[in-house]
Amino acid sequence: DGGITQSPKYLFRKEGQNVTLSCEQNLNHDAMYWYRQDPGQGLRLIYYSQIVNDFQKGDIAEGYSVSREKKESFPLTVTSAQKNPTAFYLCASSQQRGDEQFFGPGTRLTVL
Amino acid sequence: AQSVTQLGSHVSVSEGALVLLRCNYSSSVPPYLFWYVQYPNQGLQLLLKYTTGATLVKGINGFEAEFKKSETSFHLTKPSAHMSDAAEYFCAVSLTGGGNKLTFGTGTQLKVEL
Repeated sequence: DGGITQSPKYLFRKEGQNVTLSCEQNLNHDAMYWYRQDPGQGLRLIYYSQIVNDFQKGDIAEGYSVSREKKESFPLTVTSAQKNPTAFYLCASSQQRGDEQFFGPGTRLTVL
Repeated sequence: AQSVTQLGSHVSVSEGALVLLRCNYSSSVPPYLFWYVQYPNQGLQLLLKYTTGATLVKGINGFEAEFKKSETSFHLTKPSAHMSDAAEYFCAVSLTGGGNKLTFGTGTQLKVEL
């Protein structure tokens, strides 16, 4: 079954710690994305990647970092520099940028 | 550049009533348009999309949307609401030609009442 997996589903972090969210896809898509979702604010783009070893900042990249070493993987690190990291994080992929995006189930991060 | 506006952050309908969720877009070139649905604590699922061709698009779960260029709209409808339709709905737009950003609206929460 093709799709996108995100792990873990729920994540708790202490203030000052970095944490990495996993995103894997087996759809053979070139483009991958990370979004942050807060109540009433829709989806905000954090980072995106259109090809392996290349990625660009989205609208709210400060305090986040990514890597794209393999086509199927696009992990997101939430660093201690992110001032308000508690949110629902969604990973998505598409054949190319602008196409229909397929979403993973999300990771809910809570900073204690 | 493109943008999308969803009118009404919350919509409430009775079970069996018509569902109408509004989406207006702005785009400098012909757009691609999408509707997604999100159930609580889940990812987004594509309901339907318009790229080219027929302007009335049918999607999953009995939903459809009509692309109206003159009104720059892509409203989502369903003739008869079901309790299972309660969810958040997102309209999204990108530009034709590929390689372009997909821009999401802020979402409309649909409540279905008995």
